Amino acid sequence: AQTVTQSQPEMSVQEAETVTLSCTYDTSESDYYLFWYKQPPSRQMILVIRQEAYKQQNATENRFSVNFQKAAKSFSLKISDSQLGDAAMYFCAYSPSGLSLDNYGQNFVFGPGTRLSVLP
Amino acid sequence: DSGVTQTPKHLITATGQRVTLRCSPRSGDLSVYWYQQSLDQGLQFLIQYYNGEERAKGNILERFSAQQFPDLHSELNLSSLELGDSALYFCASSVGTGGRAKNIQYFGAGTRLSVL
Repeated sequence: AQTVTQSQPEMSVQEAETVTLSCTYDTSESDYYLFWYKQPPSRQMILVIRQEAYKQQNATENRFSVNFQKAAKSFSLKISDSQLGDAAMYFCAYSPSGLSLDNYGQNFVFGPGTRLSVLP
Repeated sequence: DSGVTQTPKHLITATGQRVTLRCSPRSGDLSVYWYQQSLDQGLQFLIQYYNGEERAKGNILERFSAQQFPDLHSELNLSSLELGDSALYFCASSVGTGGRAKNIQYFGAGTRLSVL
């Protein structure tokens, strides 16, 4: 079964600085998707960024970028120029590709989350 | 706005009661997922439906059940409620078809259940 691990329960960063959140996963699949979701105090789950495993290029969305190391099964999130609004719980998630969706089984696996504080 | 609608937003009830949570997925999404999130905890996957059929089952108690209707909306039924069932219940939807689908989960705003 696939697993997702986030080894940092809590992180903090100074406003305008850069922070990296770690995520590792375990799968025997070769084609899959990885995601970072953000949950601010409002508790809404918001998609931050998505990476397709067959793509070697790291995904980027404005101040958010990932470092995807497929061989190491590592998927870290880098937040540049941190803002107060970035303070939230961040969840790493795994999903098999659409080609595997016909198989019965849990398709999404979430990590335990990392709580990020942004200090003014 | 994710396009996923959950009702009600808040629900307060007593132990032993039964409640129904409702979820309308995004237009065109066939898969619906239910999650439970207790205070300061991660997401616990409960169950997934795809086009009306149960697709996967996680840590869902026998007192809980769900279904997905022909119009693709889903309901999560919680019965014989206990204090420990107080949590935020999320519904998410995704395209969930074969092929190289984007497979992104879009989350509703959640239903906050308080069992007193």
